[in-house]
Amino acid sequence: SQKIEQNSEALNIQEGKTATLTCNYTNYSPAYLQWYRQDPGRGPVFLLLIRENEKEKRKERLKVTFDTTLKQSLFHITASQPADSATYLCARNAGNNRKLIWGLGTSLAVNP
Amino acid sequence: EAEVAQSPRYKITEKSQAVAFWCDPISGHATLYWYRQILGQGPELLVQFQDESVVDDSQLPKDRFSAERLKGVDSTLKIQPAELGDSAMYLCASSHGQGREEQYFGPGTRLTVT
Repeated sequence: SQKIEQNSEALNIQEGKTATLTCNYTNYSPAYLQWYRQDPGRGPVFLLLIRENEKEKRKERLKVTFDTTLKQSLFHITASQPADSATYLCARNAGNNRKLIWGLGTSLAVNP
Repeated sequence: EAEVAQSPRYKITEKSQAVAFWCDPISGHATLYWYRQILGQGPELLVQFQDESVVDDSQLPKDRFSAERLKGVDSTLKIQPAELGDSAMYLCASSHGQGREEQYFGPGTRLTVT
């Protein structure tokens, strides 16, 4: 079955450093992967989508990569700030009806 | 900026009672999703609508859960009877489709069953 695996341990980094979060998938490569941010008690917020034929995508301080050989996506936040502290969710599409399969999320804490 | 609306934000109910959640997606979004999220886990899809039609309800416990989107706009998710294990965050999301796959989520309804 299709699965998404994310770092289960919380990631703690110092302000100004680059945070790197990992998302691994099983079975065939998805048409796309999506990354979301979720703050406690709130719904996820869409950040970036990367398609199978794209190696890298950027948005401001965010960068996501897609490696179909490693079956992995990396999510980077450069020049991290305490306001970046949140849980980050990775999701892959499943089939043709836009259904998403979600990872458990990785908790990021950026310390001032 | 358009947002997905959900109500209520919080709901406390006793087990065996009925409970209903409402969602109004972003205008023009054809696809609507209901998710359940338990603390520390990712969202789990309960039901997905394309306009007024259900396209995926494989994880919906149909003996107690029901969902409808009668006019292809807003939607209602119902649980009857509620069980203790139903305590969770219920999230509604919508997407435009047509090559725009990102999902926009509402604030969620935190359900506590006592």
